[in-house]
Amino acid sequence: NAGVTQTPKFRVLKTGQSMTLLCAQDMNHEYMYWYRQDPGMGLRLIHYSVGEGTTAKGEVPDGYNVSRLKKQNFLLGLESAAPSQTSVYFCASSYTPLDILNTEAFFGQGTRLTVV
Amino acid sequence: AQSVSQHNHHVILSEAASLELGCNYSYGGTVNLFWYVQYPGQHLQLLLKYFSGDPLVKGIKGFEAEFIKSKFSFNLRKPSVQWSDTAEYFCAVGGQAGTALIFGKGTTLSVSS
Repeated sequence: NAGVTQTPKFRVLKTGQSMTLLCAQDMNHEYMYWYRQDPGMGLRLIHYSVGEGTTAKGEVPDGYNVSRLKKQNFLLGLESAAPSQTSVYFCASSYTPLDILNTEAFFGQGTRLTVV
Repeated sequence: AQSVSQHNHHVILSEAASLELGCNYSYGGTVNLFWYVQYPGQHLQLLLKYFSGDPLVKGIKGFEAEFIKSKFSFNLRKPSVQWSDTAEYFCAVGGQAGTALIFGKGTTLSVSS
């Protein structure tokens, strides 16, 4: 049981380049999240999804796009990377309707992105 | 909108000292509350959670937290910390009925041996 898997684990981009981060979960969770973690800022929510085909903006959505075409995958895209997007990105998933009281989130290992 | 406030940015303790980390949340509905821990270089792991019932919840590694609805608080406690508890601790709220899981800014705990 892999849980939540993020790829890639590390990436260096030049300003203006684009990339997609992939998050995959095998727990049949409905909800998926993308956070960025910066020193002193905690985890800030970028976008999230409450089901296949749905997405919603979080606290810091600018400069990012997401898609949830399949229930198990949640993609985070950077169309034109900027140095301010240097961060550690975490994906998480939670919630199955079979256990509606349990919204514990499971996290991936993180992606360290540097934009130069 | 939901929000989470953690009062302590950095806490420094000696081994065997007692720990209490503050967390207050802002949300008008039924809440799910969590404490997560992040050890250096690792991803977040769940310490404990509160959904309903007994407001005093016990988690892994001797941690516990008390939900006080009237104070909108969910403080984390441990009677005697160990050097291995050195980590960053995050309080979180939400994640039900289509709401997102929102985190506080985190508290760095440093325990000296």
